[in-house]
Amino acid sequence: QVQLVQSGAEVKKPGASVKVSCKASGYTFTSYDIIWVRQATRQGLEWMGWMNPHSGNAGYAQKFKGRVTMTANTSTNTAYMDLSSLRSEDTAVYYCARGRSSSAYWGQGTVVTVSS
Amino acid sequence: DIQMTQSPSSLSASVGDRVTITCRASQSISSYLNWYQQEPGKAPKLLIYAASSLQSGVPSRFSGSGSGTDFTLTISSLQPEDFATYYCQQTYSTPQGFGGGTKVEVK
Repeated sequence: QVQLVQSGAEVKKPGASVKVSCKASGYTFTSYDIIWVRQATRQGLEWMGWMNPHSGNAGYAQKFKGRVTMTANTSTNTAYMDLSSLRSEDTAVYYCARGRSSSAYWGQGTVVTVSS
Repeated sequence: DIQMTQSPSSLSASVGDRVTITCRASQSISSYLNWYQQEPGKAPKLLIYAASSLQSGVPSRFSGSGSGTDFTLTISSLQPEDFATYYCQQTYSTPQGFGGGTKVEVK
């Protein structure tokens, strides 16, 4: 069965970087894009960007350009989302999901807390 | 960027009620519209894709309609497990943003 398993919770100081992983199983990893979505506490869903594990191509929401990098390791079927220059407003649950046109499979979410 | 506006932001309903949620795009997105359900503390669940296609395993009481700029999610007979927050998402262009959400609460 398709599964996306994300890395554990992170606590970071302002200005630091965080790298969240998303390990895929149960399907051909290079056949589907991975998207990243975040959700601050009691807030809505915010689309961050997508990446294609086969080509390495990625596209980011303008809001995150220059701060986010989405990559993948096809030998381990793992996608990564790297967010730098963290600020308190980046405190949120970060989700990976499979597929760009529609996302039927999601990771369990990774809580990232930014606090001094 | 395309803006997605959902209404209402919240509603109160009873089991058995027919519930309708609307989503409006700031420009035409054809049928590139998905609907998700999210329960507290859980990842979103895909209900409807391409505006009106029911995702496998999703009960038939859920349906979607619309194209262009105006879309609707309908729950024909609300069940206890349907009390949750619902989001629309456009996948016509990047960024593939979401609506602000509609929280369906117990009346």
